[in-house]
Amino acid sequence: GNSVTQMEGPVTLSEEAFLTINCTYTATGYPSLFWYVQYPGEGLQLLLKATKADDKGSNKGFEATYRKETTSFHLEKGSVQVSDSAVYFCALSDRDGGATNKLIFGTGTLLAVQP
Amino acid sequence: NAGVTQTPKFQVLKTGQSMTLQCAQDMNHEYMSWYRQDPGMGLRLIHYSVGAGITDQGEVPNGYNVSRSTTEDFPLRLLSAAPSQTSVYFCASSSGQSYGYTFGSGTRLTVV
Repeated sequence: GNSVTQMEGPVTLSEEAFLTINCTYTATGYPSLFWYVQYPGEGLQLLLKATKADDKGSNKGFEATYRKETTSFHLEKGSVQVSDSAVYFCALSDRDGGATNKLIFGTGTLLAVQP
Repeated sequence: NAGVTQTPKFQVLKTGQSMTLQCAQDMNHEYMSWYRQDPGMGLRLIHYSVGAGITDQGEVPNGYNVSRSTTEDFPLRLLSAAPSQTSVYFCASSSGQSYGYTFGSGTRLTVV
């Protein structure tokens, strides 16, 4: 079945450091891929997305490229800020043989940025 | 634009009680889903719907029922609450596979 695997946290970085959070997926069809962010005590917000191979999603300085050959969608940011401290979830949405649009999540990665 | 609205925000139940978590969206989205979030386990899909009158089970459906009589509403019913259902519940809606889901702010449920 479809699944998402992302690196375990917590990830602790100093402000202005480079961030990478790894995400790989298994899917039977042609999934769309997403990164969501959850700030403390809040719901999930869509951070960025990519809907086909080689697409690059970007938002707020974060980027991720849909790599079909390595089944990966790693999240990167060149210079993190304290305000980026949150839990980041990788997710995929696959047609699963029909029009289901089920969104499947990884377990999340906690990012803590220290000043 | 309210987006996805969940009520209540907090709830404490006794074991064996039943209740309904409400979810409403005003974006005319076809797809709606319920998730539970537990520490270290990410978000797990409970039930989902691809349109009014159509629902199906997700990864962890036992102990929960749903119905979708209108496009806007997708309530989640706990039939007989158990401590294992203590969790944070999120409702979400989507207009299609390429667009992702919009999430509500969640319901924190404690079963004692």
